[in-house]
Amino acid sequence: DAKTTQPPSMDCAEGRAANLPCNHSTISGNEYVYWYRQIHSQGPQYIIHGLKNNETNEMASLIITEDRKSSTLILPHATLRDTAVYYCIVRSSWNRDDKIIFGKGTRLHILP
Amino acid sequence: DAGVIQSPRHEVTEMGQEVTLRCKPISGHNSLFWYRQTMMRGLELLIYFNNNVPIDDSGMPEDRFSAKMPNASFSTLKIQPSEPRDSAVYFCASSSFGTGGHQPQHFGDGTRLSIL
Repeated sequence: DAKTTQPPSMDCAEGRAANLPCNHSTISGNEYVYWYRQIHSQGPQYIIHGLKNNETNEMASLIITEDRKSSTLILPHATLRDTAVYYCIVRSSWNRDDKIIFGKGTRLHILP
Repeated sequence: DAGVIQSPRHEVTEMGQEVTLRCKPISGHNSLFWYRQTMMRGLELLIYFNNNVPIDDSGMPEDRFSAKMPNASFSTLKIQPSEPRDSAVYFCASSSFGTGGHQPQHFGDGTRLSIL
């Protein structure tokens, strides 16, 4: 699986958009980009995933560059409840195996 | 809908004792994963099952650890004998692998294990 690089921590003011970057320069053509987050004392929570098109759901938007070497997770209106560690993960094709490997993630602090 | 259910939520025991962690995956999911999380090593995949069969146990630290999935609705992770370095939060996750495209994993709230 391709590896990812994320900043260890970021701050964002409450109510503003939080933009979390992720580099995955060795991603291959059939690998998806996934984002999970882990709020303190809870299990990781799935946020969103994509292959090459931008994706949006009720939680966030995922912007993937045209060369697919990097992506950005956008939380449009961050709240204090969005304080968490955010993991960017590249997953191998679903028909090979189902496991995912977590890195260190980005610790996002939402400031009141 | 019920999510992934883990028990117990907290376990404190003395070293040398046997520890059994339990997991009930989401109904209909056919993949189950056991993870361990510590401050030093982060979130590590220990083992995962597909259709009740262990697929990859390369993350299991040593022979003291064993995992079983006797049926689609139940799995156990056992440590015998336990050691203080096994203290961690253990998470179980499940997904519906192979049903078409990528499916996310859903995690339980974890078992916080302390070995004294």
